[in-house]
Amino acid sequence: AQKVTQAQTEISVVEKEDVTLDCVYETRDTTYYLFWYKQPPSGELVFLIRRNSFDEQNEISGRYSWNFQKSTSSFNFTITASQVVDSAVYFCALSGVITGNQFYFGTGTSLTVIP
Amino acid sequence: DVKVTQSSRYLVKRTGEKVFLECVQDMDHENMFWYRQDPGLGLRLIYFSYDVKMKEKGDIPEGYSVSREKKERFSLILESASTNQTSMYLCASIGPVDRQNTEAFFGQGTRLTVV
Repeated sequence: AQKVTQAQTEISVVEKEDVTLDCVYETRDTTYYLFWYKQPPSGELVFLIRRNSFDEQNEISGRYSWNFQKSTSSFNFTITASQVVDSAVYFCALSGVITGNQFYFGTGTSLTVIP
Repeated sequence: DVKVTQSSRYLVKRTGEKVFLECVQDMDHENMFWYRQDPGLGLRLIYFSYDVKMKEKGDIPEGYSVSREKKERFSLILESASTNQTSMYLCASIGPVDRQNTEAFFGQGTRLTVV
């Protein structure tokens, strides 16, 4: 079965703190893809990153970094030096070859950055 | 730059009404999806379509139907709206998932209230 678990429902941090959002997935696919999306208060989901199952290199983009570990089926997302504009709901998602192009989403983590 | 457009941001409908939610994409994608988003439940797949006139049930299709007469348009239909269908509805358009840099593009969402 395909499943994405985001155990953290809500997180609050003070501005400039670092914060890590956890994502654990289950899949029977050997080839699969992992994503992170941001949903600001405006409602539209914004794509942040895509990772395929063969590429375990961590990635850094500005203040954002992602840690993909197949051994623990995790794809965690860290925001360094958080800012108020980072306040949003963040979704982790999974898509696999067996399931075609379906995206399976976690329940989301609501991040609040306090000034 | 607009890629996925949903016809309404906010809708208020009465119980028992037939409701149409429209979604149009301009990326020539075969795959289109309808999700509903509720607090604590994340995004749940209602229906999806891999091609014109093709439709597949997602995880929660009861009370909904869809129509895909043209490639760029995917409509969600609430046959007889009920209060438990009050939710945020999100449309997504996705290219072939195994292609480099494929991601899901989302519309801005329609917040439907059934009274």
